[in-house]
Amino acid sequence: GAVVSQHPSWVICKSGTSVKIECRSLDFQATTMFWYRQFPKQSLMLMATSNEGSKATYEQGVEKDKFLINHASLTLSTLTVTSAHPEDSSFYICSAGRLAGVGEQYFGPGTRLTVT
Amino acid sequence: GESVGLHLPTLSVQEGDNSIINCAYSNSASDYFIWYKQESGKGPQFIIDIRSNMDKRQGQRVTVLLNKTVKHLSLQIAATQPGDSAVYFCAENKKGGNKLVFGAGTILRVKS
Repeated sequence: GAVVSQHPSWVICKSGTSVKIECRSLDFQATTMFWYRQFPKQSLMLMATSNEGSKATYEQGVEKDKFLINHASLTLSTLTVTSAHPEDSSFYICSAGRLAGVGEQYFGPGTRLTVT
Repeated sequence: GESVGLHLPTLSVQEGDNSIINCAYSNSASDYFIWYKQESGKGPQFIIDIRSNMDKRQGQRVTVLLNKTVKHLSLQIAATQPGDSAVYFCAENKKGGNKLVFGAGTILRVKS
C-alpha cells in the first residue's frame, strides 16, 4: 500500500513553454502533498506543501507564480512550471502524507524535466 | 573509507561488511526521523524510522541509532550487498509539523 505515482517520468520542453507534472496517490487519500526539487548530486529541497482544496504554502525563495500547484482532490496534485528556463531543469519529486501533523511521507518516482 | 565528493560524501565498503552512515540533524525540536534510500533516477524509498522517545530501532538488516544529546542519527546496514549501493538520506520532522527536512545525503558504494 501507499503508492504514489508521477506523470510524466521525464519531459523535455522548450524554453518559455509551460509543463505540468501530475502526482497521484493510488491507494490512499492524501491529506497533504509535497513537491520537492533535486539537482544532481544534491539533496531534496522542499518547494511547497499543498492541502486539498486550499492554496499551497511555498518555501522561502520559491516563486509561487512560476511553480503553480493545484491540489484538486485527495488523490491528485499538479505542479505546473510556467515559462520554463534551462535553470528549471531538475528532478521534481512529489510525496503524499496520509495523516495530518505526522511526518511519514510516501514518495513518487520523480519527473526529470529538461528545458532546452 | 569516507571521502567528500562535489556535494555528497561517499562511503565505500566491501560486500559482506557492515556499513554505518551518519547524519547530524539540526533541530532539537525534531521528534521523528527517517532514513531513505534513493537509487539513481528514482524517488526516495523508505528504509526505517525512529521517534525521539527511542534510541534504537531494528529492521531487517538495518538498525537506526538516535543520539539526541548530540543530535546525531546513524544507519547501520549489516552484511552490505551490491543492491544496497545508492544515496542515503536522513530526514527530520519537527514535532507537530508535517514537513521533512532532508540531510545532505551519503553515497554508499559496495565493492564486490
